Amino acid sequence: DAKTTQPPSMDCAEGRAANLPCNHSTISGNEYVYWYRQIHSQGPQYIIHGLKNNETNEMASLIITEDRKSSTLILPHATLRDTAVYYCIVRVSYNTDKLIFGTGTRLQVFP
Amino acid sequence: ETGVTQSPTHLIKTRGQQVTLRCSSQSGHNTVSWYQQALGQGPQFIFQYYREEENGRGNFPPRFSGLQFPNYSSELNVNALELDDSALYLCASSRLTGADNEQFFGPGTRLTVL
Repeated sequence: DAKTTQPPSMDCAEGRAANLPCNHSTISGNEYVYWYRQIHSQGPQYIIHGLKNNETNEMASLIITEDRKSSTLILPHATLRDTAVYYCIVRVSYNTDKLIFGTGTRLQVFP
Repeated sequence: ETGVTQSPTHLIKTRGQQVTLRCSSQSGHNTVSWYQQALGQGPQFIFQYYREEENGRGNFPPRFSGLQFPNYSSELNVNALELDDSALYLCASSRLTGADNEQFFGPGTRLTVL
């Protein structure tokens, strides 16, 4: 079973920031939080990951709470092309870097 | 840098048949993982291959098997196809260097079992 919980869907206006929450209350100290997204019928695309510090790259920012029990993915200026299912994943194994996906959050960006 | 490629893109089989799906990993990657994604669900881990050996397996029966070749490309074989095997099959490649590495996914193969 997935170790994360996410809202099933969210809406965001184009140009505004999209803030996608994720709960991972049972995360272990050596587990990373990963975010992927999947645009309709394509393979998942890596977005960002972090351990305990906030992270930022050209796609998004990841804010992890101090207790590491939750995180937020921020898309600073959402576009229509950001419409996708967003998956928050906690890495569960060191030797096999398998990803356990939940059902994710379906983000709809509207004009 | 070449990304992850999969073939074929679509496939239709009948129940009881066997199927082979193929994946070419991204340049510099030594690990391939396979996932099954049913309609409306998140991808489910099938197994992973590292240095031509199975390196972890999800909750899938033995009729799901795989291979990894010296060039790190991989095959997924499914025997005795069932209707519930209809899904998008994804492969992902990575470099198995530790807990801090990302997987790059291919576009998937859409398998329909009739």
